[in-house]
Amino acid sequence: QKEVEQNSGPLSVPEGAIASLNCTYSDRGSQSFFWYRQYSGKSPELIMFIYSNGDKEDGRFTAQLNKASQYVSLLIRDSQPSDSATYLCAAMDSNYQLIWGAGTKLIIKP
Amino acid sequence: GAVVSQHPSWVICKSGTSVKIECRSLDFQATTMFWYRQFPKQSLMLMATSNEGSKATYEQGVEKDKFLINHASLTLSTLTVTSAHPEDSSFYICSARWGLQETQYFGPGTRLLVL
Repeated sequence: QKEVEQNSGPLSVPEGAIASLNCTYSDRGSQSFFWYRQYSGKSPELIMFIYSNGDKEDGRFTAQLNKASQYVSLLIRDSQPSDSATYLCAAMDSNYQLIWGAGTKLIIKP
Repeated sequence: GAVVSQHPSWVICKSGTSVKIECRSLDFQATTMFWYRQFPKQSLMLMATSNEGSKATYEQGVEKDKFLINHASLTLSTLTVTSAHPEDSSFYICSARWGLQETQYFGPGTRLLVL
């Protein structure tokens, strides 16, 4: 069964520090990976996607992909209290369906 | 960016009635739309996938006669919860994409409360 695993947290990070969110996936056929942020009571919003090995940066966010290790991560630099949310990792399988992780709750402490 | 809307954002209904939720892609043509359900403090659960002009594909355990999905155009999909019961109370969220390998963009969600 195809799975995406995330630590449910909560992950507590002091304001201004780097938050590191991790995700592993079981399907080696997965090619694209997505990070979504979901605030409490709201729907998910896309942060970024990655499909090539290595790093992809967008502002304070960096996604990292290691296909050999089947590992995806999201780094948030200079964490702000407004970054407190649940972060969802998703892998697109060979049928173009998203396999979702259960999410990691991130808390940024002022 | 891609914008997806949902209507209504909140609905309260009596047990036994039917409720229709609309999902629209506002600035792109959505070849595929997805319907999710999320209970409090739980993860997203995919209910069904719908492609424009064809029948929806339901996930295991989701009753297709209870959750009717229509994707009649490239910008509109509807979810009808028939004969709603209190256990159907949840947060229903749609998403849409314009191509097989493209990103899913989410609507703001609809909160359903069945009394």
